[in-house]
Amino acid sequence: AQKVTQAQTEISVVEKEDVTLDCVYETRDTTYYLFWYKQPPSGELVFLIRRNSFDEQNEISGRYSWNFQKSTSSFNFTITASQVVDSAVYFCALRGSQAGTALIFGKGTTLSVSS
Amino acid sequence: GAVVSQHPSWVICKSGTSVKIECRSLDFQATTMFWYRQFPKQSLMLMATSNEGSKATYEQGVEKDKFLINHASLTLSTLTVTSAHPEDSSFYICSARDPASGSMDTQYFGPGTRLTVL
Repeated sequence: AQKVTQAQTEISVVEKEDVTLDCVYETRDTTYYLFWYKQPPSGELVFLIRRNSFDEQNEISGRYSWNFQKSTSSFNFTITASQVVDSAVYFCALRGSQAGTALIFGKGTTLSVSS
Repeated sequence: GAVVSQHPSWVICKSGTSVKIECRSLDFQATTMFWYRQFPKQSLMLMATSNEGSKATYEQGVEKDKFLINHASLTLSTLTVTSAHPEDSSFYICSARDPASGSMDTQYFGPGTRLTVL
């Protein structure tokens, strides 16, 4: 069975603080794909990143960075110097190797950034 | 990137009526579409997988007679909530798989439809 766990339900930080959102996954597939999405109050999912299981390089995109650790089955997301606009629900998701299968989502982490 | 639209973006209906939600892939042909449901402050839960020209595959616990899915063309899938009740009020999101993405198997999400049943 596949599963995504986001243990942090809610996180509150003050602007300019760094914040890390945790994601732990379970899968028996040797090839799989991990995702992060942002869901602002409007509800529309915003794609942030996709990572293949065979690519363990960490990635940085502006203030966003991702740390993929296969050994601990984790794919954590860090926002550096957080801003109020970062306030949203963030979902980590997993898809197995079989084409045409749906994404399995974690329960999400609500991030609140105050000024 | 590819765009997936949903219509309507929000709908309010009376209990007992049926509501149809459309999901369209605007610039690619989607052989597979997925329907998710998201209750307030909860995660997205897969309801069903819809393949063009065949019957949808429903997840355990989802009533197929209540949530009718039709994927009659490569760019359109519809979800009809029949005899809606207040507990069906939710945010419904579709995603469409772009077969041209090959091994990437890229899936694009629609903006969602907020259903409120009075």
